Amino acid sequence: KQEVTQIPAALSVPEGENLVLNCSFTDSAIYNLQWFRQDPGKGLTSLLLIQSSQREQTSGRLNASLDKSSGRSTLYIAASQPGDSATYLCAAPPGGGTSYGKLTFGQGTILTVHP
Amino acid sequence: DTEVTQTPKHLVMGMTNKKSLKCEQHMGHRAMYWYKQKAKKPPELMFVYSYEKLSINESVPSRFSPECPNSSLLNLHLHALQPEDSALYLCASSQAPGRKSTDTQYFGPGTRLTVL
Repeated sequence: KQEVTQIPAALSVPEGENLVLNCSFTDSAIYNLQWFRQDPGKGLTSLLLIQSSQREQTSGRLNASLDKSSGRSTLYIAASQPGDSATYLCAAPPGGGTSYGKLTFGQGTILTVHP
Repeated sequence: DTEVTQTPKHLVMGMTNKKSLKCEQHMGHRAMYWYKQKAKKPPELMFVYSYEKLSINESVPSRFSPECPNSSLLNLHLHALQPEDSALYLCASSQAPGRKSTDTQYFGPGTRLTVL
């Protein structure tokens, strides 16, 4: 059974800092990993999807890396802004074979960026 | 357009009521999902529909009954719920039912359900 852990649980930083969110997963035979953002009381917004054949994926100020061998992924946010304040969730499918879209989410990292 | 819509936004119901949640997407996606999210917790998968057929039921109580009338629409019928069922119910869709490494799930805004 896939288990996903995120560290830290919460992070508070001043505006402009570069920061790293960590995600680890137990079953490394995954074919992709996704990072999402969730604002309070809202749905999830897909940020990045990294395929198992890729080592990293970039979108604007966001960069996500994937190391299957160690069961880890990191989300790097450059030059953080107050608008980045949200909960960040990583999600991994079961390892191997066909999963029919089943995702296991980490507990999330609550990010607060203050001016 | 990567929009998944959900109605209603908020729902309050008694334990004897019957109500339904609705989810719609027009992206041509063939997989649709229901998740339940309690406060300060991550989403938990409830059901997956693949090509309008139920492919995953995560041992959800029978008081929750999903329905997929067509490839664009997903319903969740609610009956005899308990107060502990109060949560944010999220719908998602994806292009292919999990077989492709590029398959991204797109989420709707959710329905906030309160059971009295």
